[in-house]
Amino acid sequence: EIVMTQSPATLSVSPGERATFSCRASQSVRTNLAWYQQKPGQAPRLLIYGASTRATGTPARFSGSGSGTEFTLTISSLQSEDFAVYYCQQYNHWPPLSFGGGTKVEMK
Amino acid sequence: EVQLLESGGGLVQPGGSLRLSCVASGFTFNTYAMSWVRQAPGKGLEWISVISGSGDEPYYADSVKGRFTIFRDNSKNTLYLQMNSLRADDTAVYYCGRYTPCDLWGQGTLVTVSS
Repeated sequence: EIVMTQSPATLSVSPGERATFSCRASQSVRTNLAWYQQKPGQAPRLLIYGASTRATGTPARFSGSGSGTEFTLTISSLQSEDFAVYYCQQYNHWPPLSFGGGTKVEMK
Repeated sequence: EVQLLESGGGLVQPGGSLRLSCVASGFTFNTYAMSWVRQAPGKGLEWISVISGSGDEPYYADSVKGRFTIFRDNSKNTLYLQMNSLRADDTAVYYCGRYTPCDLWGQGTLVTVSS
């Protein structure tokens, strides 16, 4: 089973600042890595797939990078609507289609 | 409109059963694998099951294997999750999702397992 580890658990950022957080896989998932955003009381929303491809409707300020075991999601200039929890998920080797524990981006 | 709509959640006693449904609309349902993902109160996302578009390839997380069954009726554009032998730690919001990774999600349905 591939274990996904996200860091940090919480990131405090001011609007307009850059936010960067990480996802590590316990073994290579190549680029079969997705990022989701979830706001309170809402279903998750797919942001990035293939480690770096923005899903339909994902703003250009969101970028994903990495391959193998190390991945990063960057928000270039944080907007008020970006405060949320972000999850990574690997879909290279399954079952299970494991999620990371999440990174909460909160206002500083 | 492209959407997924779950139903069937509710309060059930430990050891009981429940069947969740997820009705799809606005896309060709039988061409997509479908997943169930759950989220316990205040916790992260947990993938629990996926099924191929044809319905003949189901997969499960260890936490639900042998207790939960995923199946679909492509003539009704509906995905199901039959949950048996429910436990308190199955309490969660259950989401259905299209494809892998999930590019479309339902709104979720709450399952509470409690006596």
